Amino acid sequence: SAVISQKPSRDICQRGTSLTIQCQVDSQVTMMFWYRQQPGQSLTLIATANQGSEATYESGFVIDKFPISRPNLTFSTLTVSNMSPEDSSIYLCSVEDYGRTNTGELFFGEGSRLTVL
Amino acid sequence: AQSVTQPDIHITVSEGASLELRCNYSYGATPYLFWYVQSPGQGLQLLLKYFSGDTLVQGIKGFEAEFKRSQSSFNLRKPSVHWSDAAEYFCAVVSNSGNTPLVFGKGTRLSVIA
Repeated sequence: SAVISQKPSRDICQRGTSLTIQCQVDSQVTMMFWYRQQPGQSLTLIATANQGSEATYESGFVIDKFPISRPNLTFSTLTVSNMSPEDSSIYLCSVEDYGRTNTGELFFGEGSRLTVL
Repeated sequence: AQSVTQPDIHITVSEGASLELRCNYSYGATPYLFWYVQSPGQGLQLLLKYFSGDTLVQGIKGFEAEFKRSQSSFNLRKPSVHWSDAAEYFCAVVSNSGNTPLVFGKGTRLSVIA
């Protein structure tokens, strides 16, 4: 199984600012995923990040609001730009299980809990 | 479009009692099915999964789930609940074609009372 570390684990941010969340995996992985979990809600996929290519965003999410970097096979960042209180959520990084690509089986980091005032 | 329904938002059971959490899915193809657990302040942990074969799958922490194609269900069960099982449980589904993302249900919050 993969060990996934996210930073920061939590933060309180001011409206209009931006915050970058880092995700580090202990081994090389092809696909990394960023999810959002709004208070009391389920997980919604923001985007899929493959190394060496542009991230693929799901409906309702755009690159200007959630720019993603994937500089290598063990690291990715998600930036939440120009934040508003509606962006208060837990943001989770996840990766696929090794040897089971395209099965949907994912490992998750502990998440980054953002509160926007 | 694919969807996952967890009909129960919140369930309370007594410690030692049996548990069943419901999950129904709507999918055009044979899906891969998962149950994840999220403890307070934690990330998600995979409890069990179904890809193919035996429709009764065993997971960690004494959980099991049964895939019933005729009912489009993948209910999670545990014969005797422990206080440490209090958490949020998510059912998730993905197409076996591998071309669509994992879709999560809205979750069921489990409370355990003495």
